[in-house]
Amino acid sequence: QVQLQESGPGLVKSSQTLSLTCTVSGGSISNGDYYWTWIRQAPGKALEWIGYIYYSGGSYYNPSLKSRVSFSVDTSKNQFSLKLRSVTVADTAVYYCAREEVTGGMGLYGLDVWGQGTTVIVSS
Amino acid sequence: EIVMTQSPATLSVSPGERATLSCRASQSISTYLAWYQQKPGQAPRLLIYGASTRATGVPPRFSGSGSGTEFTLTISSLQSEDFAVYYCQQYEGWPLITFGPGTRVDIK
Repeated sequence: QVQLQESGPGLVKSSQTLSLTCTVSGGSISNGDYYWTWIRQAPGKALEWIGYIYYSGGSYYNPSLKSRVSFSVDTSKNQFSLKLRSVTVADTAVYYCAREEVTGGMGLYGLDVWGQGTTVIVSS
Repeated sequence: EIVMTQSPATLSVSPGERATLSCRASQSISTYLAWYQQKPGQAPRLLIYGASTRATGVPPRFSGSGSGTEFTLTISSLQSEDFAVYYCQQYEGWPLITFGPGTRVDIK
């Protein structure tokens, strides 16, 4: 079955750029039936949606992060990536990648596959 | 942005008892609601989508109901593995999805 795995530095300095990659195994990221998602969870807090990317590169971002975030996809490596610029301690969180099935251009079935998450600490 | 609230924040239940968790949306979301279970140190797991459809492999003791702004997740007979945090998530505002703050279900 499809599995997702996040990777990237666990420690980032304040004002720098956080970069993470999600590797998809057991299936193709180019499957047009899915959007690929980033979600984060600050310590002791609820889940926060960061955004989606489609295999073609089309993206949607959370308006609260839109000015600092960008996604990319590498279909040859079956990976998608997140960059978050100008980080602060408030960006310290566990970052998850996940998959959502799309029907009629909309997600209707929830986020059914998740990576295990990777902890990113922003140091001041 | 659609704001989700959940109650109670913590629910203490004895094994074998029923647990009822509530989720409310700040505006009508029809049945565009999902529920997730998260255990410590683990990623969330999809339980319910479409307010009432169980995801693949989810035991029938989990059931969801509701529409509009009021939703309920019921666990009919709590098992030891069900003690966790539960989040609701709306997708009526898709692609801008939002989660509730969560309800922790712990052992009474």
